[in-house]
Amino acid sequence: SQKIEQNSEALNIQEGKTATLTCNYTNYSPAYLQWYRQDPGRGPVFLLLIRENEKEKRKERLKVTFDTTLKQSLFHITASQPADSATYLCALLLYSSASKIIFGSGTRLSIRP
Amino acid sequence: DTGVSQDPRHKITKRGQNVTFRCDPISEHNRLYWYRQTLGQGPEFLTYFQNEAQLEKSRLLSDRFSAERPKGSFSTLEIQRTEQGDSAMYLCASSPTGQGTSTDTQYFGPGTRLTVL
Repeated sequence: SQKIEQNSEALNIQEGKTATLTCNYTNYSPAYLQWYRQDPGRGPVFLLLIRENEKEKRKERLKVTFDTTLKQSLFHITASQPADSATYLCALLLYSSASKIIFGSGTRLSIRP
Repeated sequence: DTGVSQDPRHKITKRGQNVTFRCDPISEHNRLYWYRQTLGQGPEFLTYFQNEAQLEKSRLLSDRFSAERPKGSFSTLEIQRTEQGDSAMYLCASSPTGQGTSTDTQYFGPGTRLTVL
């Protein structure tokens, strides 16, 4: 069956450390993989997109890797801050339907001061 | 305001009633999407419009659900004969058409939280 799994429901780390979130997928052939941030009671906000032929993408303190052999993406936040606390969603954009995004269930990240 | 807007933000209704939600996308965006999100889950695709044409519907979208985008601008999502299982956050998103990966980025509205009693 097709599924997207994010490593854990919640991750709690100390401010200043690097947060690493994992996204694994099975039985999909994604064109792109995206990461979104979602705060309570709000819609998701796009952060980064990485294509199947890209290994790594960076944006300020964010870094995403994409391994299509392992069917895995890692999302890193370096020098984490309490303001980074949110739920982070992994999402796949499929070849089969360029319009449809399939989301994982998310990882809730808490950064403690 | 250049973001996606949704109305209402919250809706409480009794089982069996009909409800309608509205979404106003970013003005230059041709594509519009509806998702449903329940607590602890990611958004789940419901349907997609390009301009006024509804191009894709999830198999999870029962015949009690209908969506329209009559003039290719705003969209409405109607749920008839609501059930308690319909309680969720209903999210709307839009994206532009054209070349490049920017067309694959979806911009989400704040959502409409539906509670069916």
